[in-house]
Amino acid sequence: ILNVEQSPQSLHVQEGDSTNFTCSFPSSNFYALHWYRWETAKSPEALFVMTLNGDEKKKGRISATLNTKEGYSYLYIKGSQPEDSATYLCAPSGYSTLTFGKGTMLLVSP
Amino acid sequence: GAVVSQHPSRVICKSGTSVKIECRSLDFQATTMFWYRQFPKQSLMLMATSNEGSKATYEQGVEKDKFLINHASLTLSTLTVTSAHPEDSSFYICSARDTSGQGRQPQHFGDGTRLSIL
Repeated sequence: ILNVEQSPQSLHVQEGDSTNFTCSFPSSNFYALHWYRWETAKSPEALFVMTLNGDEKKKGRISATLNTKEGYSYLYIKGSQPEDSATYLCAPSGYSTLTFGKGTMLLVSP
Repeated sequence: GAVVSQHPSRVICKSGTSVKIECRSLDFQATTMFWYRQFPKQSLMLMATSNEGSKATYEQGVEKDKFLINHASLTLSTLTVTSAHPEDSSFYICSARDTSGQGRQPQHFGDGTRLSIL
């Protein structure tokens, strides 16, 4: 079983703040890394799938970077809005299956 | 975008009851679907990989006779929790991946099923 760590466990910021959180995973035999956003009472939504060392991906105000050599990925949210409140999950992937971290729960207050 | 429908969303039943949960891919074909379970404050844990037309692949520690998986078509997988007991109470969620994709394609999730066994 892969050891996937996400930090912080939870985060509370004010509207307009920029924030970031970390996902660390074993760097050996890397295949891909997924990020999902999971809002309360909804299904997890895929944000990014990252495959190459040094990858940077962006979707609106959310971006992510990947370092496969040291086994970590950062997710950044610029100018957080209340609708960004959700749990953000990372999951390294093998050829077929995902291993999820516990997530970072983000709360953005107006 | 890709949509996965899962139902029921909530089940409350007596101990000993068998409960079936359905997972459907609505606008794409899914050779492979996945079943996860989440206990409070824990991560989503993969229970099994459901393969269309063949037996499911169960993760270590998951009883295949307890959690029956059927993937009879490219759009439907079912999970049956047989003779459920209170310790089976949990949040169960399915996901599906487009037939053409592998581990570098995103999974599309259902809304999950909250199972409570009295």
